[in-house]
Amino acid sequence: NAGVTQTPKFQVLKTGQSMTLQCAQDMNHEYMSWYRQDPGMGLRLIHYSVGAGITDQGEVPNGYNVSRSTTEDFPLRLLSAAPSQTSVYFCASRWGQASHEQYFGPGTRLTVT
Amino acid sequence: GESVGLHLPTLSVQEGDNSIINCAYSNSASDYFIWYKQESGKGPQFIIDIRSNMDKRQGQRVTVLLNKTVKHLSLQIAATQPGDSAVYFCAVNLVPSGSARQLTFGSGTQLTVLP
Repeated sequence: NAGVTQTPKFQVLKTGQSMTLQCAQDMNHEYMSWYRQDPGMGLRLIHYSVGAGITDQGEVPNGYNVSRSTTEDFPLRLLSAAPSQTSVYFCASRWGQASHEQYFGPGTRLTVT
Repeated sequence: GESVGLHLPTLSVQEGDNSIINCAYSNSASDYFIWYKQESGKGPQFIIDIRSNMDKRQGQRVTVLLNKTVKHLSLQIAATQPGDSAVYFCAVNLVPSGSARQLTFGSGTQLTVLP
């Protein structure tokens, strides 16, 4: 299994541009989530999904959209990038809501200028 | 809600010594606690977890201790090795009313193993 994969690994955007961060997992996990990681802070939950067709907001959802059309894929869209969205983004998955062991992707480092 | 804090942002230990990384949480309703290791340029990796009905759990060279009275969690690494150098996060699992389980992460402790 490849586990959780993310693309791209690095990205630079200008303010106002939009883009989609890709995330895929091949473990047939129901639960997927997106986090952002900023210096000196823990991971903060942006959005999550408990299964295909179901998404919900986390702690810091503003400026981001998600969709879950398949079990495998959970893309994160930045609608209009802002410098405050400069961060490292991690996608994670786990078997289900009752499961605690999360598997993280390698991350996408995003810089917005 | 829940807040999670780590006591020290950095920790340096000699190779072969034991390491202790601490974490404090705020919500007594938290029911599950997890330690992650994050190496440079990589995503967090699960190390060990513990349920709220336990006070100690041991893995390979790692032990997690939970003190619910003072809402404190610690990770002990025995015979620390250079490969243990990483950032260590504690995460606390809370089930908000009507929502799926969510993890709240601490800010991390950078462990450096000295030769």
